Amino acid sequence: EAGVAQSPRYKIIEKRQSVAFWCNPISGHATLYWYQQILGQGPKLLIQFQNNGVVDDSQLPKDRFSAERLKGVDSTLKIQPAKLEDSAVYLCASSRTMTGTYEQYFGPGTRLTVT
Amino acid sequence: AQTVTQSQPEMSVQEAETVTLSCTYDTSESDYYLFWYKQPPSRQMILVIRQEAYKQQNATENRFSVNFQKAAKSFSLKISDSQLGDAAMYFCAYNGGGGNKLTFGTGTQLKVEL
Repeated sequence: EAGVAQSPRYKIIEKRQSVAFWCNPISGHATLYWYQQILGQGPKLLIQFQNNGVVDDSQLPKDRFSAERLKGVDSTLKIQPAKLEDSAVYLCASSRTMTGTYEQYFGPGTRLTVT
Repeated sequence: AQTVTQSQPEMSVQEAETVTLSCTYDTSESDYYLFWYKQPPSRQMILVIRQEAYKQQNATENRFSVNFQKAAKSFSLKISDSQLGDAAMYFCAYNGGGGNKLTFGTGTQLKVEL
């Protein structure tokens, strides 16, 4: 079974530019998560999807961050415009569903550097 | 809101020795799950062990075991017979209140020395 795929692995941009990250979850997993992990901290949930609907985006900075999962499979997270404090690793995870407690499987992450 | 605290930023252990990583959490819920994740330099988060709060028996997975103290809201990870491959950042995580969402601690960097 293929794991969670993410691209790109690394991205360097200047502040005020835009950037997009892509995630393809494990086949059949209905729930998809995006986490932000700032250096020296644990991952923080940005947004959670169940199929193509948003379950929780309470910690997503909506003035600059957006995410979509149009067909309920892969997902894109966008930042526009980027700020220096957005430098972090962006982790995507998926789980079979969100009812009960199912293991979340993580992708390798995208390391974003904003200069 | 639930919080997870890991008070040890760094720990060191000699190869083949035992080390214990600490974690405390705060919650008002009675039913929840706790996890330890390992994150090597590759950044891939790997589940090490999980504990259901309603189970009194501590979880074990080969060389990894936990000491779950529900009343004290404490959840420590013991690694026995430490190996070089155990060197990584370890995160304690909490899942409760529905929605299958994880709240992570700040992590403990484990170094394994020859």
